[in-house]
Amino acid sequence: DSGVTQTPKHLITATGQRVTLRCSPRSGDLSVYWYQQSLDQGLQFLIQYYNGEERAKGNILERFSAQQFPDLHSELNLSSLELGDSALYFCASSVESSLAGSTDTQYFGPGTRLTVL
Amino acid sequence: AQTVTQSQPEMSVQEAETVTLSCTYDTSESDYYLFWYKQPPSRQMILVIRQEAYKQQNATENRFSVNFQKAAKSFSLKISDSQLGDAAMYFCAYRSGSSYDKVIFGPGTSLSVIP
Repeated sequence: DSGVTQTPKHLITATGQRVTLRCSPRSGDLSVYWYQQSLDQGLQFLIQYYNGEERAKGNILERFSAQQFPDLHSELNLSSLELGDSALYFCASSVESSLAGSTDTQYFGPGTRLTVL
Repeated sequence: AQTVTQSQPEMSVQEAETVTLSCTYDTSESDYYLFWYKQPPSRQMILVIRQEAYKQQNATENRFSVNFQKAAKSFSLKISDSQLGDAAMYFCAYRSGSSYDKVIFGPGTSLSVIP
């Protein structure tokens, strides 16, 4: 158990719908990362938040957005869902020093499996 | 941009034997971190081992050890005394040491353990 929790574990929805995935980082971790793992794309970085602020952006679609709340939990919002959005979505967290060169390791949650029908 | 390559899509090993998974990466940075993550059928991503590029000594964690060749940009994982529970997808990953950047993952190697 990494200490990172994600809900729900599974989500089945229809095209065009909107869903919210939730992540609670490990106690003390300030940084949250979101990744998408699909069969043909491998693990792709989506976005990172540090202490409530967006820190880095990867291959995140405009239909997707995220935020990190004052209690440090994070939500990933996926809208206008398409069949191709079906994937496993991981959240990871790390302590993430405010100084460059942080050595913190990212610990992954169990993932949310999204199926779009 | 940094890239991570794993040239072995699939590997197999006999139980109790030793296997080595290969990973190469490309970067122009001198300060970075390398990781091996394991993803069993449960799909949970589990950290196996990590290596700081500034450290010459190879990291070890019980039956898992790495062979870090900085000049060759190679980072292989050796699993000794393989167990059935080692069967999983193994991902090599890179993280810059000079930015708050994401982790870049290789495509993975699927390891089977034969009883």
